Amino acid sequence: GQSLEQPSEVTAVEGAIVQINCTYQTSGFYGLSWYQQHDGGAPTFLSYNGLDGLEETGRFSSFLSRSDSYGYLLLQELQMKDSASYFCASHTGGFKTIFGAGTRLFVKA
Amino acid sequence: EPEVTQTPSHQVTQMGQEVILRCVPISNHLYFYWYRQILGQKVEFLVSFYNNEISEKSEIFDDQFSVERPDGSNFTLKIRSTKLEDSAMYFCASRKLAGGDTQYFGPGTRLTVL
Repeated sequence: GQSLEQPSEVTAVEGAIVQINCTYQTSGFYGLSWYQQHDGGAPTFLSYNGLDGLEETGRFSSFLSRSDSYGYLLLQELQMKDSASYFCASHTGGFKTIFGAGTRLFVKA
Repeated sequence: EPEVTQTPSHQVTQMGQEVILRCVPISNHLYFYWYRQILGQKVEFLVSFYNNEISEKSEIFDDQFSVERPDGSNFTLKIRSTKLEDSAMYFCASRKLAGGDTQYFGPGTRLTVL
């Protein structure tokens, strides 16, 4: 089967750094993406890792280790507007995307 | 900035009725997707479409579902005989390239089956 595991929720304070982990078991794994979704909204692409290592995009960074079937999303300088759900998603061959169950991030003042 | 659009934003239908959900992907994108999200749950892959044919489909995408790209701009999802459990948000997404290129999601259609 194909599955991704991520924590159900994380709480952090404004200005802090938070890491959301994702472990995956997917056949034909191609790469790992991260999406943000606010309540009532559509998923919005944040980052993609096709190779091992760190990808940095502004306050967001994402990491992948293929040998460990593991990735994480790092959010720095947290802001209240970062309160949302974050999904890791695995890609297989570019045509199928499997989403994790999502991590609800609560940012407190 | 170009965006994916979906119509209608909300569709209410009776069980057993057919519904067609419409999407207009970004114009120079080549890969198209449908996902669904039951309230409070994860986003579930339904189907991907490339070069005028289905590339991949999930076990959810059974004979009740079909997709079509009837012209150069629209991408539709048809549910032939809706069931109560089809009630969900349906998202269309498109992507320019293969691999890990960004998927752009539309705002979704909320389908309610009574």
